[in-house]
Amino acid sequence: QVQLVQSGAEVKKPGASVRVSCKGSGYSFSDYYMHWVRQAPGQGLEWMGMINPDGGSTTYAQKFQGRVTMTRDTSTNTVYMRLNSLRSEDTAVYYCARERGSGDVWFDPWGQGTLVTVSS
Amino acid sequence: SSELTQDPAVSVALGQTATITCRGDSLRSYYASWYQQKPGQAPVLVIYSRHHRPSGIPDRFSGSSSGTTASLTITGAQAEDEADYYCNSRDTSGDSPVVFGGGTKLTVL
Repeated sequence: QVQLVQSGAEVKKPGASVRVSCKGSGYSFSDYYMHWVRQAPGQGLEWMGMINPDGGSTTYAQKFQGRVTMTRDTSTNTVYMRLNSLRSEDTAVYYCARERGSGDVWFDPWGQGTLVTVSS
Repeated sequence: SSELTQDPAVSVALGQTATITCRGDSLRSYYASWYQQKPGQAPVLVIYSRHHRPSGIPDRFSGSSSGTTASLTITGAQAEDEADYYCNSRDTSGDSPVVFGGGTKLTVL
């Protein structure tokens, strides 16, 4: 079955960087854009950006421009999200999600989430 | 930037019908999709492209749309439907190509 498996929880100090991975299986990895969405404690879903695994082109939310980098490794069907200059407000669960649709867009499935805690 | 607006909370009596709405200018051009999220879990797609249900989603979940408003209806709500629900759509007019609603907490009484 189609599955996205993310890396484990991270604890980082302010100013540090974090890299979260997301490994896809059960489908043709390069055929679907992958998105990253985060959710701060008790808050809603916030779109961060996306990557086309076929070629590696990216689009980032303006809020994260200059601080986030999304990459992929097609040999292992894995996408990565790196967030730099972490601050306490970046404490959140980070999800990868596979894009579906061509005009409309929806996400299915989602990874299980990776909790990133930023604390001194 | 474009936004999708949802009511923060909706309550429904067990077995009755709940309607959750999502409003935004992007819905003039694109249909909404809906996700259910239970505490400590990842979101799960329940309706896509206005009214389509993924396999495995009970048929008590349905979607509709009119103008700038999309609706998720749960007909005969069950206790297990208590969750947060989020809408999303594509958006070509704002800063980001994807937008999410703020979420609605559904309480089944």
